Amino acid sequence: GAVVSQHPSRVICKSGTSVKIECRSLDFQATTMFWYRQFPKQSLMLMATSNEGSKATYEQGVEKDKFLINHASLTLSTLTVTSAHPEDSSFYICSARGVALSGANVLTFGAGSRLTVL
Amino acid sequence: AQSVTQPDIHITVSEGASLELRCNYSYGATPYLFWYVQSPGQGLQLLLKYFSGDTLVQGIKGFEAEFKRSQSSFNLRKPSVHWSDAAEYFCAVGYARTDSWGKLQFGAGTQVVVTP
Repeated sequence: GAVVSQHPSRVICKSGTSVKIECRSLDFQATTMFWYRQFPKQSLMLMATSNEGSKATYEQGVEKDKFLINHASLTLSTLTVTSAHPEDSSFYICSARGVALSGANVLTFGAGSRLTVL
Repeated sequence: AQSVTQPDIHITVSEGASLELRCNYSYGATPYLFWYVQSPGQGLQLLLKYFSGDTLVQGIKGFEAEFKRSQSSFNLRKPSVHWSDAAEYFCAVGYARTDSWGKLQFGAGTQVVVTP
């Protein structure tokens, strides 16, 4: 239980294009989702927190106009990297917080999405 | 502000030997503490977590961790490592406040190499 699906797992795009990454909670309702990025051989850095039905809260230094986050339902959050450039190439990982059918609090990470911008 | 430190960037251990990974945190209250493992190019797998209660926590794959409030530490241990334990290990600290629960700050990670 408490599975989070992230799609696509890998994406390659040209510089200047936009890329959308989806994060879905498959068997629980995720009231909150978190987006992290991880550069090669580095740790995960929190980018933003998204709550269903409201605007995302971005961490300091993260450009909200570049990294658009939408959390329109209790099972789906999307991260759109707009006008991507090579420096945006990274591993993007989402996590979802919610309540499982058992009533237990859950926090589950997706498998991540590798973005390469050419 | 909370922070988490993993002092060891890289650890090499022989297969069958014991392993201990260090994690120290800074937080104004009792934190939520996690250990995750990441294989190359993969996502995170939760090994164990501490919210409250018994300070010795058992996890998956034979791992355990001990919360020591006096030392602000949450070290991860395994009595006998297997070659498949070679990976990157991350300690993470989370807010205990309900509205921020799940928002994690990660340590820099410790790369574990297992030699025959």
